[in-house]
Amino acid sequence: EAGVTQSPTHLIKTRGQQATLRCSPISGHTSVYWYQQALGLGLQFLLWYDEGEERNRGNFPPRFSGRQFPNYSSELNVNALELEDSALYLCASSLVGPQHFGDGTRLSIL
Amino acid sequence: GNSVTQMEGPVTLSEEAFLTINCTYTATGYPSLFWYVQYPGEGLQLLLKATKADDKGSNKGFEATYRKETTSFHLEKGSVQVSDSAVYFCALRMDSSYKLIFGSGTRLLVRP
Repeated sequence: EAGVTQSPTHLIKTRGQQATLRCSPISGHTSVYWYQQALGLGLQFLLWYDEGEERNRGNFPPRFSGRQFPNYSSELNVNALELEDSALYLCASSLVGPQHFGDGTRLSIL
Repeated sequence: GNSVTQMEGPVTLSEEAFLTINCTYTATGYPSLFWYVQYPGEGLQLLLKATKADDKGSNKGFEATYRKETTSFHLEKGSVQVSDSAVYFCALRMDSSYKLIFGSGTRLLVRP
């Protein structure tokens, strides 16, 4: 069974640009979660999508947004990038049970 | 609010030593509890879970028991290996929100 896949592995942007991160959940999973793992800040919940709808949102500004497609894959968009957005962004998926994580996208802001 | 507190790392042990990583939680209600492990350059892997008081989760020689009276979920392993070197995260989830709330992580280094 294929796990959660994320792309790209690494992404380098400059301040003010926009970034798009992608996630494909485990087959059969309908929920996708996004987390940010920033140095010194630990793992912070960003967004939860289920059945195409945003169900819950963490304490992040509106320039962090996303969507879930009919095939349950998901995109995370970050607009007007700032230096402190540099982090590992992790996607997880689940159906009813525990969340299973991908290997993440490392976003670096220059 | 809901939160998870883990012991500060790094924890450095010799191979075959006994491991304990402490985890306590604060929650309004009855959360599910998890341990995840992160190897260098990788995402998180689910190590074990417990969904109600007195449940014991176990996997790959690791164990943790959900203790409601002490609001704890300490991770233990009887004999660690070099390959266990990683960062370990304790987390809780309230069914009402489904998001995971993580502790700060504990780095484990096992020396041969």
